[in-house]
Amino acid sequence: GDSVTQMEGPVTLSEEAFLTINCTYTATGYPSLFWYVQYPGEGLQLLLKATKADDKGSNKGFEATYRKETTSFHLEKGSVQVSDSAVYFCALSNTGGFKTIFGAGTRLFVKA
Amino acid sequence: GAVVSQHPSRVICKSGTSVKIECRSLDFQATTMFWYRQFPKKSLMLMATSNEGSKATYEQGVEKDKFLINHASLTLSTLTVTSAHPEDSSFYICSVSGIGANEQFFGPGTRLTVL
Repeated sequence: GDSVTQMEGPVTLSEEAFLTINCTYTATGYPSLFWYVQYPGEGLQLLLKATKADDKGSNKGFEATYRKETTSFHLEKGSVQVSDSAVYFCALSNTGGFKTIFGAGTRLFVKA
Repeated sequence: GAVVSQHPSRVICKSGTSVKIECRSLDFQATTMFWYRQFPKKSLMLMATSNEGSKATYEQGVEKDKFLINHASLTLSTLTVTSAHPEDSSFYICSVSGIGANEQFFGPGTRLTVL
Protein backbone atom coordinates (compact mmCIF):
# COMPACT_ATOMS: atom_id res chain seq x y z
CA GLY A 1 0.00 0.00 0.00
CA ASP A 2 0.88 3.65 -0.16
CA SER A 3 3.33 4.91 2.44
CA VAL A 4 5.41 7.90 3.44
CA THR A 5 8.81 7.80 5.10
CA GLN A 6 10.40 10.89 6.58
CA MET A 7 13.57 11.44 8.51
CA GLU A 8 13.42 10.87 12.23
CA GLY A 9 13.82 13.78 14.53
CA PRO A 10 14.25 15.71 16.48
CA VAL A 11 16.21 18.10 14.31
CA THR A 12 17.89 20.89 16.25
CA LEU A 13 19.22 23.94 14.40
CA SER A 14 20.45 27.38 15.24
CA GLU A 15 18.54 30.37 13.93
CA GLU A 16 19.35 31.22 10.30
CA ALA A 17 20.61 27.71 9.56
CA PHE A 18 19.57 25.80 6.43
CA LEU A 19 16.86 23.19 6.89
CA THR A 20 16.26 19.97 5.01
CA ILE A 21 13.74 17.37 6.09
CA ASN A 22 13.79 14.33 3.84
CA CYS A 23 10.61 12.64 2.68
CA THR A 24 10.17 9.72 0.31
CA TYR A 25 7.01 7.96 -0.69
CA THR A 26 5.66 4.77 -2.18
CA ALA A 27 2.45 5.03 -4.15
CA THR A 28 0.63 3.81 -7.18
CA GLY A 29 -0.22 6.33 -9.84
CA TYR A 30 0.47 10.01 -9.40
CA PRO A 31 -0.34 11.17 -5.89
CA SER A 32 -0.52 14.71 -4.62
CA LEU A 33 2.13 15.47 -2.02
CA PHE A 34 1.83 17.71 1.01
CA TRP A 35 3.76 19.13 3.91
CA TYR A 36 1.79 19.97 7.05
CA VAL A 37 3.03 21.79 10.14
CA GLN A 38 1.77 21.31 13.68
CA TYR A 39 2.64 23.89 16.31
CA PRO A 40 2.52 22.82 19.96
CA GLY A 41 -0.99 22.07 21.15
CA GLU A 42 -2.57 22.80 17.79
CA GLY A 43 -3.98 20.93 14.82
CA LEU A 44 -2.34 20.60 11.43
CA GLN A 45 -1.89 23.41 8.98
CA LEU A 46 -1.15 22.88 5.32
CA LEU A 47 2.28 24.33 4.63
CA LEU A 48 2.64 23.57 0.94
CA LYS A 49 1.65 21.05 -1.68
CA ALA A 50 2.46 19.79 -5.17
CA THR A 51 0.11 17.90 -7.40
CA LYS A 52 2.33 16.65 -10.23
CA ALA A 53 5.91 15.75 -11.02
CA ASP A 54 8.42 18.62 -11.04
CA ASP A 55 5.96 20.97 -9.33
CA LYS A 56 7.50 23.07 -6.57
CA GLY A 57 5.36 23.99 -3.61
CA SER A 58 6.41 27.01 -1.59
CA ASN A 59 5.13 29.00 1.35
CA LYS A 60 6.64 31.14 4.13
CA GLY A 61 10.17 30.51 2.80
CA PHE A 62 9.70 26.73 2.74
CA GLU A 63 10.00 24.83 -0.53
CA ALA A 64 9.61 21.25 -1.72
CA THR A 65 9.86 19.80 -5.22
CA TYR A 66 7.91 16.76 -6.38
CA ARG A 67 10.56 14.37 -7.72
CA LYS A 68 8.95 11.39 -9.38
CA GLU A 69 12.25 9.79 -10.41
CA THR A 70 13.42 9.61 -6.81
CA THR A 71 9.91 9.46 -5.27
CA SER A 72 10.87 12.28 -2.96
CA PHE A 73 9.43 15.54 -1.64
CA HIS A 74 12.12 16.99 0.61
CA LEU A 75 11.30 20.12 2.60
CA GLU A 76 13.85 22.95 2.60
CA LYS A 77 14.20 26.41 4.05
CA GLY A 78 17.20 28.63 3.60
CA SER A 79 17.14 30.36 6.98
CA VAL A 80 15.05 29.02 9.85
CA GLN A 81 13.64 31.09 12.68
CA VAL A 82 12.77 30.19 16.26
CA SER A 83 9.11 30.47 15.28
CA ASP A 84 9.57 27.58 12.84
CA SER A 85 9.91 25.18 15.78
CA ALA A 86 7.13 22.66 15.23
CA VAL A 87 6.43 19.16 13.97
CA TYR A 88 6.43 18.73 10.20
CA PHE A 89 4.46 15.98 8.48
CA CYS A 90 4.96 14.80 4.93
CA ALA A 91 1.83 13.30 3.38
CA LEU A 92 0.40 11.97 0.16
CA SER A 93 -3.04 11.51 -1.28
CA ASN A 94 -3.97 9.41 -4.23
CA THR A 95 -7.62 10.38 -4.08
CA GLY A 96 -7.64 14.14 -4.34
CA GLY A 97 -7.25 14.59 -0.62
CA PHE A 98 -9.91 12.12 0.32
CA LYS A 99 -7.55 9.67 1.96
CA THR A 100 -4.27 11.07 3.15
CA ILE A 101 -1.31 8.99 4.29
CA PHE A 102 0.98 10.74 6.77
CA GLY A 103 4.60 10.23 7.61
CA ALA A 104 5.62 9.86 11.23
CA GLY A 105 6.46 13.54 11.61
CA THR A 106 9.76 15.30 12.24
CA ARG A 107 10.13 17.59 15.22
CA LEU A 108 12.20 20.71 14.59
CA PHE A 109 13.75 22.79 17.34
CA VAL A 110 15.31 26.11 16.38
CA LYS A 111 17.57 27.75 18.97
CA ALA A 112 18.10 31.50 19.16
CA GLY B 1 -9.17 26.98 2.52
CA ALA B 2 -12.02 25.92 4.74
CA VAL B 3 -12.27 27.00 8.36
CA VAL B 4 -12.82 24.06 10.68
CA SER B 5 -13.54 24.30 14.39
CA GLN B 6 -13.65 21.71 17.13
CA HIS B 7 -15.38 21.85 20.46
CA PRO B 8 -14.29 21.46 23.13
CA SER B 9 -10.59 22.14 22.74
CA ARG B 10 -9.84 20.31 25.96
CA VAL B 11 -11.89 17.94 28.08
CA ILE B 12 -11.13 16.05 31.25
CA CYS B 13 -13.53 13.34 32.32
CA LYS B 14 -13.82 10.45 34.72
CA SER B 15 -13.40 6.88 33.60
CA GLY B 16 -16.68 5.36 32.43
CA THR B 17 -18.27 8.56 31.19
CA SER B 18 -19.00 9.40 27.56
CA VAL B 19 -17.56 12.41 25.81
CA LYS B 20 -18.83 14.11 22.67
CA ILE B 21 -16.51 16.09 20.40
CA GLU B 22 -17.92 18.35 17.70
CA CYS B 23 -16.30 19.20 14.40
CA ARG B 24 -17.78 22.06 12.42
CA SER B 25 -16.99 23.23 8.92
CA LEU B 26 -17.75 26.93 9.06
CA ASP B 27 -17.62 27.92 5.42
CA PHE B 28 -17.34 24.73 3.40
CA GLN B 29 -19.75 22.01 2.36
CA ALA B 30 -18.01 19.05 3.93
CA THR B 31 -19.35 16.01 2.16
CA THR B 32 -16.60 13.97 3.79
CA MET B 33 -15.19 14.27 7.28
CA PHE B 34 -12.32 12.38 8.82
CA TRP B 35 -11.45 11.65 12.44
CA TYR B 36 -7.86 11.12 13.47
CA ARG B 37 -6.22 10.21 16.72
CA GLN B 38 -2.74 11.36 17.61
CA PHE B 39 -0.67 9.86 20.40
CA PRO B 40 2.07 11.95 22.01
CA LYS B 41 4.97 12.53 19.64
CA LYS B 42 3.38 10.27 17.04
CA SER B 43 1.74 10.72 13.68
CA LEU B 44 -1.95 10.90 12.96
CA MET B 45 -3.88 7.66 12.87
CA LEU B 46 -7.03 7.71 10.76
CA MET B 47 -9.92 6.35 12.79
CA ALA B 48 -12.83 6.70 10.42
CA THR B 49 -14.19 8.42 7.36
CA SER B 50 -17.75 9.65 7.22
CA ASN B 51 -19.86 10.88 4.36
CA GLU B 52 -22.77 13.16 5.06
CA GLY B 53 -25.90 11.17 5.73
CA SER B 54 -24.14 7.81 5.68
CA LYS B 55 -22.62 5.51 8.25
CA ALA B 56 -18.96 6.02 8.95
CA THR B 57 -16.32 3.69 7.59
CA TYR B 58 -13.94 2.67 10.36
CA GLU B 59 -10.31 1.72 9.94
CA GLN B 60 -9.17 -1.70 10.99
CA GLY B 61 -8.75 -1.99 14.72
CA VAL B 62 -11.02 0.93 15.60
CA GLU B 63 -14.05 -0.09 17.65
CA LYS B 64 -17.13 1.43 16.07
CA ASP B 65 -19.24 0.84 19.18
CA LYS B 66 -16.75 2.74 21.27
CA PHE B 67 -16.13 5.63 18.90
CA LEU B 68 -19.53 6.68 17.61
CA ILE B 69 -19.48 9.02 14.65
CA ASN B 70 -22.41 10.99 13.36
CA HIS B 71 -22.23 13.16 10.23
CA ALA B 72 -25.74 14.52 10.07
CA SER B 73 -25.11 17.60 7.97
CA LEU B 74 -22.60 19.16 5.61
CA THR B 75 -21.23 21.29 8.40
CA LEU B 76 -21.21 19.08 11.49
CA SER B 77 -19.76 15.76 12.54
CA THR B 78 -19.56 14.43 16.08
CA LEU B 79 -17.32 11.83 17.65
CA THR B 80 -18.57 10.28 20.88
CA VAL B 81 -16.14 8.31 22.98
CA THR B 82 -18.36 5.97 24.96
CA SER B 83 -17.41 4.67 28.39
CA ALA B 84 -14.06 6.38 28.18
CA HIS B 85 -11.02 4.86 29.86
CA PRO B 86 -7.55 6.29 30.53
CA GLU B 87 -6.17 4.57 27.42
CA ASP B 88 -8.57 6.68 25.34
CA SER B 89 -6.70 9.80 26.43
CA SER B 90 -5.36 11.34 23.26
CA PHE B 91 -5.49 14.26 20.85
CA TYR B 92 -8.42 13.90 18.45
CA ILE B 93 -8.34 15.85 15.19
CA CYS B 94 -11.03 16.13 12.55
CA SER B 95 -10.63 17.18 8.96
CA VAL B 96 -13.03 17.93 6.14
CA SER B 97 -13.03 17.59 2.41
CA GLY B 98 -15.58 17.81 -0.33
CA ILE B 99 -16.46 18.19 -3.96
CA GLY B 100 -13.90 20.29 -5.74
CA ALA B 101 -11.35 20.10 -2.96
CA ASN B 102 -8.06 18.31 -3.52
CA GLU B 103 -6.92 18.46 0.07
CA GLN B 104 -8.22 18.11 3.60
CA PHE B 105 -8.74 20.99 5.98
CA PHE B 106 -7.96 20.25 9.60
CA GLY B 107 -9.54 21.33 12.83
CA PRO B 108 -7.44 22.53 15.78
CA GLY B 109 -7.85 19.30 17.71
CA THR B 110 -9.40 18.25 21.02
CA ARG B 111 -7.29 16.96 23.86
CA LEU B 112 -9.12 14.32 25.86
CA THR B 113 -7.84 13.28 29.26
CA VAL B 114 -9.60 10.43 31.04
CA LEU B 115 -8.85 10.12 34.73
